Amino acid sequence: SQELEQSPQSLIVQEGKNLTINCTSSKTLYGLYWYKQKYGEGLIFLMMLQKGGEEKSHEKITAKLDEKKQQSSLHITASQPSHAGIYLCGADYSGNTPLVFGKGTRLSVIA
Amino acid sequence: DAGITQSPRHKVTETGTPVTLRCHQTENHRYMYWYRQDPGHGLRLIHYSYGVKDTDKGEVSDGYSVSRSKTEDFLLTLESATSSQTSVYFCAISESHIRELFFGEGSRLTVL
Repeated sequence: SQELEQSPQSLIVQEGKNLTINCTSSKTLYGLYWYKQKYGEGLIFLMMLQKGGEEKSHEKITAKLDEKKQQSSLHITASQPSHAGIYLCGADYSGNTPLVFGKGTRLSVIA
Repeated sequence: DAGITQSPRHKVTETGTPVTLRCHQTENHRYMYWYRQDPGHGLRLIHYSYGVKDTDKGEVSDGYSVSRSKTEDFLLTLESATSSQTSVYFCAISESHIRELFFGEGSRLTVL
C-alpha cells in the first residue's frame, strides 16, 4: 500500500486563482519536504516542515503540517504561469532514512 | 545552485547491454542518492550512499548496482539493461538525511 498519497493527481487552474495540494501519510511524519519540478528538469526544494502545526511561506506559496504530523498542504495564492509544474511531497519517517516521495501533482496554469 | 552533474543526460541502448550512469558533485556532501521517476509511480529510491564505499539498497534496487570510490562520484550500473529500466534517473545529494536534497537534472535512459 502507498504510504504517501498526494491529491489531486493533476490540477488546471486559471491564472490568478488560488489552489491547494494535499499530501497525506499513513504514518506519523518526522518531517515533510515539498519540491517543485519543471517539466523535463530536476526537482527544486521549496520548504521543509518538522513541527506539528508548523506553517512556512515563500513568496506566494504556503505549506502547513497538521498537528498530528500526518498531513501537509501546499497552498498557492494568485497562481501565475511560473507556478506550473509538478509538485512532490517527500516524507521523512525517522530522521535517519531517505525520503519517500509521493507520486506528484501536475499543475497547469492557464491564462 | 548545488553542483551536481549527471552523465550522460540521454542514452538509448539495447536490451542486455551494460549501462553506467554517473553522478558528480562538487559540494562535498556525505549522502548521495539515485532515484528513478516513472509515470504513475513517482520518484522511487534505487540505492543511496552515506559515505565512500558505504551504500545501501532502496525500494527498487533489483537489477542495479552502485559504487562510490570517491566522495564526489556515485555510479549507477545496470549490468544487463531491460526495457523495464527505461526511465528518467535522478541523482540527489544532501549533507544528512534530515537536510534537503539537491537534485541533478536527470538522465533519460531508453532501453529498446
